[in-house]
Amino acid sequence: KQEVTQIPAALSVPEGENLVLNCSFTDSAIYNLQWFRQDPGKGLTSLLLIQSSQREQTSGRLNASLDKSSGRSTLYIAASQPGDSATYLCAVGGGATNKLIFGTGTLLAVQP
Amino acid sequence: SAVISQKPSRDICQRGTSLTIQCQVDSQVTMMFWYRQQPGQSLTLIATANQGSEATYESGFVIDKFPISRPNLTFSTLTVSNMSPEDSSIYLCSVGAGESGANVLTFGAGSRLTVL
Repeated sequence: KQEVTQIPAALSVPEGENLVLNCSFTDSAIYNLQWFRQDPGKGLTSLLLIQSSQREQTSGRLNASLDKSSGRSTLYIAASQPGDSATYLCAVGGGATNKLIFGTGTLLAVQP
Repeated sequence: SAVISQKPSRDICQRGTSLTIQCQVDSQVTMMFWYRQQPGQSLTLIATANQGSEATYESGFVIDKFPISRPNLTFSTLTVSNMSPEDSSIYLCSVGAGESGANVLTFGAGSRLTVL
């Protein structure tokens, strides 16, 4: 059974700092991995999608990497801003059925 | 990507009652999913809503407790039956999109239920 863990559970950084969020999964036979952002009282926003054949994806200040063999993904946020404060979730897809297994989440607070 | 509307956005319910959550998508989609997010927890898949057939439930979830309808390719409902305080959660509808190999899930804003 796939299990997805995120470390740290919570993180507080001053504005402008670069930071890394970690995601690990127990079954390396994944189809893809997605990073989402969740704001309080709102739904999920997809940030980046990495296919199993890819090593990384970039969007603006965000860079996500994937190492299937070690069961790890990282989300790098450059020059953090207070608007980046949210819960970040990683989710692994086990096949073409779109079913995602979600991680435990990292609550990020960027202090002005 | 698809735009998803969920209703209600939030509700306060009495123990023992049932509530139906609606999910409307602005385009036809093959795959629709219902997730639950309990307070302080991550998301757990409840079931896959199949158009024209019974939903496929994940381990720990049963049709009697969470009946699902999927009458067409743009609409689905999830009912939370005989609610107890343990059912207080955010319930999210999501849809899959894109060609095989590039699938991305889009989520609705969620329905926050509080059961007293």
